Amino acid sequence: EDKVVQSPLSLVVHEGDTVTLNCSYEVTNFRSLLWYKQEKKAPTFLFMLTSSGIEKKSGRLSSILDKKELFSILNITATQTGDSAVYLCAVRANMLTFGGGTRLMVKP
Amino acid sequence: DAEITQSPRHKITETGRQVTLACHQTWNHNNMFWYRQDLGHGLRLIHYSYGVHDTNKGEVSDGYSVSRSNTEDLPLTLESAASSQTSVYFCASSGDISGNEQFFGPGTRLTVL
Repeated sequence: EDKVVQSPLSLVVHEGDTVTLNCSYEVTNFRSLLWYKQEKKAPTFLFMLTSSGIEKKSGRLSSILDKKELFSILNITATQTGDSAVYLCAVRANMLTFGGGTRLMVKP
Repeated sequence: DAEITQSPRHKITETGRQVTLACHQTWNHNNMFWYRQDLGHGLRLIHYSYGVHDTNKGEVSDGYSVSRSNTEDLPLTLESAASSQTSVYFCASSGDISGNEQFFGPGTRLTVL
């Protein structure tokens, strides 16, 4: 059974802090890893990672994949209150399996 | 603009009733998916479809069915609703063959009393 585990479950930081969210996985026939941001509604796509060691960046967000150690991290620098959300990691193998999410709260 | 919509957005029903949740996308995507989201479980795949007349079971398909008669719609039916099916349901679609970048609908909150 494919498994995706995210940590921490929740995190509270102050504006300007840097955070690192973790995603580890055990799947058969790995194809890609995806990160989503979910505010009050539907998840929105952030990144897709398929190769180890290649950092994907979008503004203050960046992510990297380690296919040997079977994990990915999502970094957010200079956090803002608008970054408050649940961040979901999903791994594409035979189907897309989601982790339980990390709830990030950024306080002013 | 292309979009993916779900209806109803909120539904309360009774145990044993049949319920159908609608999902409609105008992206012209071949791939469509239904998930449920519960606290502590993240998003779990119920059913998915890679094209018209194609349907496949996901991780938690028991008690649910789908049919795909056209590209735009993938309705999800609960044959006999149970309280364990109280959840938020998300429909998603994707255009690429691997189904990687999925676009999600706004969700339907279903309560089964």
